[in-house]
Amino acid sequence: AQTVTQSQPEMSVQEAETVTLSCTYDTSESDYYLFWYKQPPSRQMILVIRQEAYKQQNATENRFSVNFQKAAKSFSLKISDSQLGDAAMYFCAYRSAFETSYDKVIFGPGTSLSVIP
Amino acid sequence: DAMVIQNPRYQVTQFGKPVTLSCSQTLNHNVMYWYQQKSSQAPKLLFHYYDKDFNNEADTPDNFQSRRPNTSFCFLDIRSPGLGDAAMYLCATSRDPPLAQETQYFGPGTRLLVL
Repeated sequence: AQTVTQSQPEMSVQEAETVTLSCTYDTSESDYYLFWYKQPPSRQMILVIRQEAYKQQNATENRFSVNFQKAAKSFSLKISDSQLGDAAMYFCAYRSAFETSYDKVIFGPGTSLSVIP
Repeated sequence: DAMVIQNPRYQVTQFGKPVTLSCSQTLNHNVMYWYQQKSSQAPKLLFHYYDKDFNNEADTPDNFQSRRPNTSFCFLDIRSPGLGDAAMYLCATSRDPPLAQETQYFGPGTRLLVL
């Protein structure tokens, strides 16, 4: 079974600085998708960024980028120029690309990010 | 705007008193999910519907049931809530077919309190 681990329960960053959130996962599959979701306090969860395992190029969305290391099974999220609105719980998630399995998303335990003005 | 709506946002019920949470979507997605999220934890999938096909997770208690009368609506029924069922309940949708690369769109959640 696949597992997702986020070893940092809490992180903090100064406004305008850069922070990296860690995520590791365990799988025997070769094809899958990885996601970072953001859940602000009392607000709904939204997708931040998505990475396809068969693509070597790291995904980037504006100030958010990932460092995907397939061999190491590592998928970290880098937030540049941190803003107060980035304060939230961040979940790393895994989804199999196999047709019989991809209805289920496996979430990590989350990292709570605080942004210091 | 197309979206996932959950009502109510906050629900208080008594121990053992049945409660129903609702979810509706204007995205016309064929797949709908119910998650339970306890404080500072990851969402835990309870079950999902692919059209009218119901898929229950193996470890979802029998106390939790679901109904999907049409594409737009899905309900979570908790037959006899216990104190341990107090949590945030998240509804999510994704497109048909449920492709691996598709994101799930989440509602704002219903926070359930059991007295």
